[in-house]
Amino acid sequence: EIQMTQSPSTLSASVGDRVTITCRASQTISSWLAWYQQKPGKAPKLLIYKASTLEGGVTSRFSGTGSGTEFFLTISSLQPDDFATYYCQQYSNNPRRLTFGPGTKVDIK
Amino acid sequence: EVQLVQSGAEVKKPGESLKISCKGSGYTFTNYWIGWVRQMPGKGLEWMGIIYPGDSDTRYSPSFEGQVTISDDRSISTAYLQWSSLKASDTAMYYCAIRIATPGRIDAFDIWGQGTMVTVSS
Repeated sequence: EIQMTQSPSTLSASVGDRVTITCRASQTISSWLAWYQQKPGKAPKLLIYKASTLEGGVTSRFSGTGSGTEFFLTISSLQPDDFATYYCQQYSNNPRRLTFGPGTKVDIK
Repeated sequence: EVQLVQSGAEVKKPGESLKISCKGSGYTFTNYWIGWVRQMPGKGLEWMGIIYPGDSDTRYSPSFEGQVTISDDRSISTAYLQWSSLKASDTAMYYCAIRIATPGRIDAFDIWGQGTMVTVSS
């Protein structure tokens, strides 16, 4: 079973900072990697799929890179609305499974 | 508008059974995989399983296989998550979700239900 890790688990940053979150898979997943943002008491929101494709309506401050086993979510200039928890999620087709990473909380420095 | 509407919060005792629901609207229910995701209080997201209402093909996370049952009733565009004997450790928020952008395929979830809070306590 594919395991996902994220680092850091918590990230303290200021408005305007450029921040990067790392997600690693225990085996290669090609580009089958998605990123979500979740705020307290709300359902997660899809930000990026297939490692680097921005979901419709999502601000271009968010970008995703990587393939294989190492992936990155970058927020180019952190805004107050971006303080949240971010999760990566992999998809595999054989067997058909999804797995979430443990999450990275971005809070105010 | 594509929507997933989940059933309301539940408070149950250990050992009781429970079935929560997720009703889809605004799209062809049978063409999209529906997934269930658990979030325990203060914890992360855990994928539980998916079902394809077109043929009721169901896949479970190894962590949840045998612990829950996922089903659907395509006649009323509703998916279900069911427990036969609840434990205190089942206390969590449960979300249903679909991938509306890609009929018949699922690589991520782009539409989410509002969540159903299940509390199991004696």
